[in-house]
Amino acid sequence: GESVGLHLPTLSVQEGDNSIINCAYSNSASDYFIWYKQESGKGPQFIIDIRSNMDKRQGQRVTVLLNKTVKHLSLQIAATQPGDSAVYFCAESYAGGTSYGKLTFGQGTILTVHP
Amino acid sequence: DADVTQTPRNRITKTGKRIMLECSQTKGHDRMYWYRQDPGLGLRLIYYSFDVKDINKGEISDGYSVSRQAQAKFSLSLESAIPNQTALYFCATSHPSGSTDTQYFGPGTRLTVL
Repeated sequence: GESVGLHLPTLSVQEGDNSIINCAYSNSASDYFIWYKQESGKGPQFIIDIRSNMDKRQGQRVTVLLNKTVKHLSLQIAATQPGDSAVYFCAESYAGGTSYGKLTFGQGTILTVHP
Repeated sequence: DADVTQTPRNRITKTGKRIMLECSQTKGHDRMYWYRQDPGLGLRLIYYSFDVKDINKGEISDGYSVSRQAQAKFSLSLESAIPNQTALYFCATSHPSGSTDTQYFGPGTRLTVL
Protein backbone atom coordinates (compact mmCIF):
# COMPACT_ATOMS: atom_id res chain seq x y z
CA GLY A 1 0.00 0.00 0.00
CA GLU A 2 0.94 3.67 -0.08
CA SER A 3 3.06 5.30 2.55
CA VAL A 4 1.38 8.32 4.02
CA GLY A 5 3.23 11.20 5.57
CA LEU A 6 3.94 14.90 5.56
CA HIS A 7 7.14 14.80 3.53
CA LEU A 8 6.60 14.40 -0.17
CA PRO A 9 9.38 13.08 -2.40
CA THR A 10 11.09 15.92 -4.21
CA LEU A 11 12.91 16.23 -7.49
CA SER A 12 14.98 19.25 -8.47
CA VAL A 13 16.21 19.66 -12.03
CA GLN A 14 17.75 22.31 -14.21
CA GLU A 15 15.74 23.85 -17.03
CA GLY A 16 16.24 21.82 -20.18
CA ASP A 17 17.03 18.57 -18.40
CA ASN A 18 14.77 15.54 -18.64
CA SER A 19 12.79 14.64 -15.52
CA ILE A 20 11.66 11.22 -14.38
CA ILE A 21 9.01 10.92 -11.68
CA ASN A 22 8.30 7.49 -10.25
CA CYS A 23 5.27 5.91 -8.67
CA ALA A 24 4.72 2.51 -7.08
CA TYR A 25 1.11 1.41 -7.16
CA SER A 26 -0.50 -1.01 -4.77
CA ASN A 27 -3.24 -2.96 -6.53
CA SER A 28 -2.06 -5.62 -8.98
CA ALA A 29 -5.59 -5.65 -10.45
CA SER A 30 -5.43 -1.97 -11.42
CA ASP A 31 -5.76 -1.57 -15.15
CA TYR A 32 -5.90 2.15 -15.75
CA PHE A 33 -3.38 4.75 -14.64
CA ILE A 34 -3.31 8.52 -14.83
CA TRP A 35 -0.73 11.21 -14.13
CA TYR A 36 -1.95 14.55 -12.79
CA LYS A 37 -0.12 17.84 -12.32
CA GLN A 38 -1.13 20.16 -9.51
CA GLU A 39 0.15 23.71 -9.43
CA SER A 40 -0.05 25.78 -6.28
CA GLY A 41 -3.60 26.93 -5.58
CA LYS A 42 -5.13 24.86 -8.36
CA GLY A 43 -6.87 21.57 -8.82
CA PRO A 44 -5.12 18.55 -10.32
CA GLN A 45 -4.79 18.73 -14.09
CA PHE A 46 -4.80 15.64 -16.33
CA ILE A 47 -1.49 15.03 -18.09
CA ILE A 48 -1.54 11.56 -19.60
CA ASP A 49 -3.06 8.15 -19.00
CA ILE A 50 -2.24 4.55 -19.87
CA ARG A 51 -4.13 1.29 -19.84
CA SER A 52 -2.62 -1.90 -18.52
CA ASN A 53 -2.44 -3.49 -21.97
CA MET A 54 0.27 -0.97 -22.86
CA ASP A 55 3.72 -0.43 -21.41
CA LYS A 56 4.44 2.97 -22.93
CA ARG A 57 2.47 5.96 -24.10
CA GLN A 58 3.74 9.27 -25.37
CA GLY A 59 2.23 12.72 -25.31
CA GLN A 60 3.61 16.15 -25.94
CA ARG A 61 6.95 16.24 -24.07
CA VAL A 62 5.70 13.53 -21.71
CA THR A 63 6.00 9.76 -21.73
CA VAL A 64 4.43 7.33 -19.30
CA LEU A 65 6.00 3.92 -18.74
CA LEU A 66 4.19 1.06 -17.02
CA ASN A 67 5.88 -2.01 -15.56
CA LYS A 68 3.16 -4.32 -14.29
CA THR A 69 5.62 -6.93 -13.10
CA VAL A 70 6.90 -4.66 -10.35
CA LYS A 71 3.82 -2.43 -10.17
CA HIS A 72 5.73 0.67 -11.19
CA LEU A 73 4.72 3.71 -13.17
CA SER A 74 6.93 6.55 -14.33
CA LEU A 75 6.41 9.92 -15.96
CA GLN A 76 9.18 11.30 -18.12
CA ILE A 77 9.17 14.99 -18.99
CA ALA A 78 11.49 16.04 -21.78
CA ALA A 79 13.26 19.40 -21.79
CA THR A 80 11.77 20.39 -18.45
CA GLN A 81 10.68 24.01 -18.15
CA PRO A 82 10.08 26.24 -15.11
CA GLY A 83 6.36 26.01 -15.83
CA ASP A 84 6.57 22.27 -15.16
CA SER A 85 7.24 22.98 -11.48
CA ALA A 86 4.34 21.44 -9.58
CA VAL A 87 3.28 18.43 -7.56
CA TYR A 88 2.75 15.34 -9.71
CA PHE A 89 0.36 12.59 -8.68
CA CYS A 90 -0.12 9.16 -10.10
CA ALA A 91 -3.55 7.54 -9.76
CA GLU A 92 -4.71 3.99 -10.35
CA SER A 93 -8.09 2.53 -11.11
CA TYR A 94 -9.60 -0.90 -11.58
CA ALA A 95 -12.32 -1.30 -14.16
CA GLY A 96 -13.90 -4.34 -12.59
CA GLY A 97 -17.38 -4.23 -11.09
CA THR A 98 -18.43 -1.35 -8.89
CA SER A 99 -14.85 -0.08 -8.52
CA TYR A 100 -14.86 1.31 -12.03
CA GLY A 101 -14.09 5.01 -12.02
CA LYS A 102 -12.73 5.15 -8.50
CA LEU A 103 -9.20 6.49 -8.44
CA THR A 104 -6.62 5.82 -5.75
CA PHE A 105 -4.00 8.56 -5.63
CA GLY A 106 -0.36 8.34 -4.65
CA GLN A 107 1.03 10.92 -2.24
CA GLY A 108 2.69 13.01 -4.95
CA THR A 109 6.16 14.21 -5.94
CA ILE A 110 7.25 17.84 -5.87
CA LEU A 111 9.11 18.83 -9.04
CA THR A 112 11.15 22.03 -8.91
CA VAL A 113 12.74 23.31 -12.11
CA HIS A 114 15.57 25.79 -11.72
CA PRO A 115 16.20 28.31 -14.52
CA ASP B 1 -10.69 23.41 -15.43
CA ALA B 2 -13.26 26.21 -15.92
CA ASP B 3 -15.93 23.63 -16.79
CA VAL B 4 -15.96 22.54 -13.15
CA THR B 5 -16.61 25.30 -10.62
CA GLN B 6 -16.63 25.23 -6.86
CA THR B 7 -18.08 27.68 -4.37
CA PRO B 8 -16.93 29.09 -2.10
CA ARG B 9 -13.22 29.12 -2.92
CA ASN B 10 -12.27 29.86 0.66
CA ARG B 11 -14.23 29.47 3.87
CA ILE B 12 -13.39 29.94 7.53
CA THR B 13 -15.88 28.60 10.01
CA LYS B 14 -16.16 27.57 13.64
CA THR B 15 -16.43 24.17 15.25
CA GLY B 16 -20.00 22.86 15.24
CA LYS B 17 -21.22 24.92 12.29
CA ARG B 18 -22.92 23.35 9.28
CA ILE B 19 -21.10 23.99 6.04
CA MET B 20 -22.06 23.29 2.45
CA LEU B 21 -19.61 23.24 -0.44
CA GLU B 22 -21.05 23.35 -3.92
CA CYS B 23 -19.84 22.01 -7.24
CA SER B 24 -21.24 22.69 -10.69
CA GLN B 25 -20.11 21.37 -14.05
CA THR B 26 -20.88 22.20 -17.64
CA LYS B 27 -19.09 19.18 -19.09
CA GLY B 28 -22.23 17.09 -19.27
CA HIS B 29 -20.59 14.31 -17.28
CA ASP B 30 -22.68 11.82 -15.35
CA ARG B 31 -20.10 11.05 -12.70
CA MET B 32 -19.10 13.43 -9.92
CA TYR B 33 -16.75 13.08 -6.97
CA TRP B 34 -15.69 14.86 -3.80
CA TYR B 35 -12.11 14.57 -2.57
CA ARG B 36 -10.20 15.92 0.37
CA GLN B 37 -6.51 16.88 0.25
CA ASP B 38 -4.36 17.40 3.33
CA PRO B 39 -0.80 18.79 3.31
CA GLY B 40 1.68 16.19 2.15
CA LEU B 41 -1.02 13.72 1.21
CA GLY B 42 -2.68 12.75 -2.00
CA LEU B 43 -6.38 13.09 -2.60
CA ARG B 44 -8.77 10.91 -0.66
CA LEU B 45 -12.25 10.13 -1.90
CA ILE B 46 -15.14 11.24 0.32
CA TYR B 47 -18.22 10.47 -1.79
CA TYR B 48 -19.02 9.81 -5.42
CA SER B 49 -22.08 9.69 -7.62
CA PHE B 50 -22.36 7.91 -10.96
CA ASP B 51 -25.71 9.48 -11.79
CA VAL B 52 -28.42 11.61 -10.19
CA LYS B 53 -29.94 8.72 -8.24
CA ASP B 54 -26.65 7.17 -7.21
CA ILE B 55 -24.65 8.09 -4.09
CA ASN B 56 -21.71 6.07 -2.78
CA LYS B 57 -19.37 6.43 0.16
CA GLY B 58 -15.66 6.79 -0.46
CA GLU B 59 -12.85 5.94 1.91
CA ILE B 60 -13.39 8.84 4.34
CA SER B 61 -17.13 9.60 4.38
CA ASP B 62 -17.62 9.89 8.15
CA GLY B 63 -18.67 13.41 9.13
CA TYR B 64 -19.76 14.28 5.57
CA SER B 65 -22.91 14.01 3.50
CA VAL B 66 -23.67 14.80 -0.14
CA SER B 67 -26.57 15.70 -2.35
CA ARG B 68 -26.78 15.27 -6.13
CA GLN B 69 -29.38 17.86 -6.99
CA ALA B 70 -29.03 17.48 -10.75
CA GLN B 71 -26.63 16.00 -13.25
CA ALA B 72 -24.59 19.20 -13.11
CA LYS B 73 -24.61 19.80 -9.34
CA PHE B 74 -23.09 17.87 -6.47
CA SER B 75 -22.83 19.42 -3.01
CA LEU B 76 -20.85 18.32 0.03
CA SER B 77 -22.02 19.09 3.56
CA LEU B 78 -20.27 19.02 6.88
CA GLU B 79 -23.13 18.71 9.38
CA SER B 80 -21.06 19.78 12.38
CA ALA B 81 -17.61 20.94 11.35
CA ILE B 82 -14.57 19.99 13.42
CA PRO B 83 -10.98 21.29 13.20
CA ASN B 84 -9.58 18.12 11.64
CA GLN B 85 -11.84 18.75 8.65
CA THR B 86 -9.61 21.70 7.79
CA ALA B 87 -8.36 20.82 4.31
CA LEU B 88 -8.59 21.49 0.58
CA TYR B 89 -11.71 20.03 -0.99
CA PHE B 90 -11.90 19.16 -4.66
CA CYS B 91 -14.82 18.23 -6.84
CA ALA B 92 -14.24 16.18 -9.98
CA THR B 93 -16.31 14.90 -12.88
CA SER B 94 -15.86 12.12 -15.39
CA HIS B 95 -17.52 10.34 -18.25
CA PRO B 96 -16.39 6.81 -19.01
CA SER B 97 -15.21 6.15 -22.53
CA GLY B 98 -14.44 2.54 -23.33
CA SER B 99 -12.27 1.35 -20.47
CA THR B 100 -10.99 4.79 -19.50
CA ASP B 101 -12.63 7.24 -17.14
CA THR B 102 -10.52 10.36 -16.75
CA GLN B 103 -11.51 12.69 -13.94
CA TYR B 104 -11.42 16.47 -14.33
CA PHE B 105 -11.04 18.59 -11.24
CA GLY B 106 -12.40 21.91 -10.08
CA PRO B 107 -10.18 24.63 -8.57
CA GLY B 108 -10.79 23.56 -4.98
CA THR B 109 -12.25 25.02 -1.80
CA ARG B 110 -9.96 25.82 1.09
CA LEU B 111 -11.86 25.17 4.32
CA THR B 112 -10.58 26.19 7.74
CA VAL B 113 -12.43 25.07 10.87
CA LEU B 114 -11.44 26.98 13.98
